[in-house]
Amino acid sequence: EAQVTQNPRYLITVTGKKLTVTCSQNMNHEYMSWYRQDPGLGLRQIYYSMNVEVTDKGDVPEGYKVSRKEKRNFPLILESPSPNQTSLYFCASSMTGAAAVKLFFGSGTQLSVL
Amino acid sequence: AQSVSQHNHHVILSEAASLELGCNYSYGGTVNLFWYVQYPGQHLQLLLKYFSGDPLVKGIKGFEAEFIKSKFSFNLRKPSVQWSDTAEYFCAVNANNAGNMLTFGGGTRLMVKP
Repeated sequence: EAQVTQNPRYLITVTGKKLTVTCSQNMNHEYMSWYRQDPGLGLRQIYYSMNVEVTDKGDVPEGYKVSRKEKRNFPLILESPSPNQTSLYFCASSMTGAAAVKLFFGSGTQLSVL
Repeated sequence: AQSVSQHNHHVILSEAASLELGCNYSYGGTVNLFWYVQYPGQHLQLLLKYFSGDPLVKGIKGFEAEFIKSKFSFNLRKPSVQWSDTAEYFCAVNANNAGNMLTFGGGTRLMVKP
């Protein structure tokens, strides 16, 4: 089954403790992206990747890191989480090219930073 | 940079009522337009999309949207809603020169009363 898999679904942590949220897709998509969803703000893009070893900042990259060493994986790293990073995070992937802009989303990771 | 506005944050309707959710974007060039739906506890799914051609686009589950270029709008409509349409709806825009990058609106929470 074609899917985007995120782990964990729920995560509670404390300020400053490094964490990684994993994302994996099995559709051989070149494009992958991370969004955070906050009430009233919709989805805001954190980072995206057009292909292996190619990553770029989105609208709200501060406090986050990503890596794209393999095509299927795109982990989101919070080196020193802060309470304002409490949010619902979604990973998404798609093929590249203007006509292929249909994003497939993961199930989300609800992060709480205390 | 493009931005997307969804003016209705919360909408409450009774079953069989007609629905129209507003979406306006700010970008003067060619755009691709999308509506995504997020059912409670689930990830986002594509409802419909517009790339070119007929400005009236039909999507899944009886939804449709009309692209009005002169008004920079892409409103979502459904003639008769059902309780199962209770969800959050997101409008999104992709500018043709922005690769795969989608800009999302703030979302509209729809509650349909049985």
